[in-house]
Amino acid sequence: NAGVTQTPKFQVLKTGQSMTLQCAQDMNHNSMYWYRQDPGMGLRLIYYSASEGTTDKGEVPNGYNVSRLNKREFSLRLESAAPSQTSVYFCASSPSWRSEAFFGQGTRLTVV
Amino acid sequence: QQPVQSPQAVILREGEDAVINCSSSKALYSVHWYRQKHGEAPIFLMILLKGGEQKGHDKISASFNEKKQQSSLYLTASQLSYSGTYFCGTGTTSGTYKYIFGTGTRLKVLA
Repeated sequence: NAGVTQTPKFQVLKTGQSMTLQCAQDMNHNSMYWYRQDPGMGLRLIYYSASEGTTDKGEVPNGYNVSRLNKREFSLRLESAAPSQTSVYFCASSPSWRSEAFFGQGTRLTVV
Repeated sequence: QQPVQSPQAVILREGEDAVINCSSSKALYSVHWYRQKHGEAPIFLMILLKGGEQKGHDKISASFNEKKQQSSLYLTASQLSYSGTYFCGTGTTSGTYKYIFGTGTRLKVLA
């Protein structure tokens, strides 16, 4: 049972480049989330998908887009990467809003 | 609107107890607690909902004081494996997916 799988695990981008972070879960969860974690800042919600076919903004959505491709997959896209987007990105999933969330292992993104 | 966690850091000896607090400036409906070890993903500990009971398993428990808009995590008889950073995530309404996380409490347990 893989749980939540994120790809890639590490990425270096140049300013202005675009990329998509992939996330897939095999637990048949309805809800999926994207967070970023910066030193001393804790976790901040970028976007979430309460259920398949829906997405909504979190705390810090600017500069990002998401796609809930199906129930299993939730991707995060950076259209034009900026150094301020250097961070560790975590994808998570949960059965519902009142359930525990399971996190992937994270993607360490550096924008130079 | 980020909840404030205290203390920011704590060092314990094995067997000692610790309390981590999470305070919000907004009325809360729910609180999640997670532990994260360095370089790893956060791991869920427990969730507390408004009107619910204090939760706990093994030597870790938590309380939720709705009137004071705060939650506390209690670690008793600490073990080396308890080391890590503890985060609270707060929700202000029923049905919300927008959990706002605190900046974390770094806990280190020494042998």
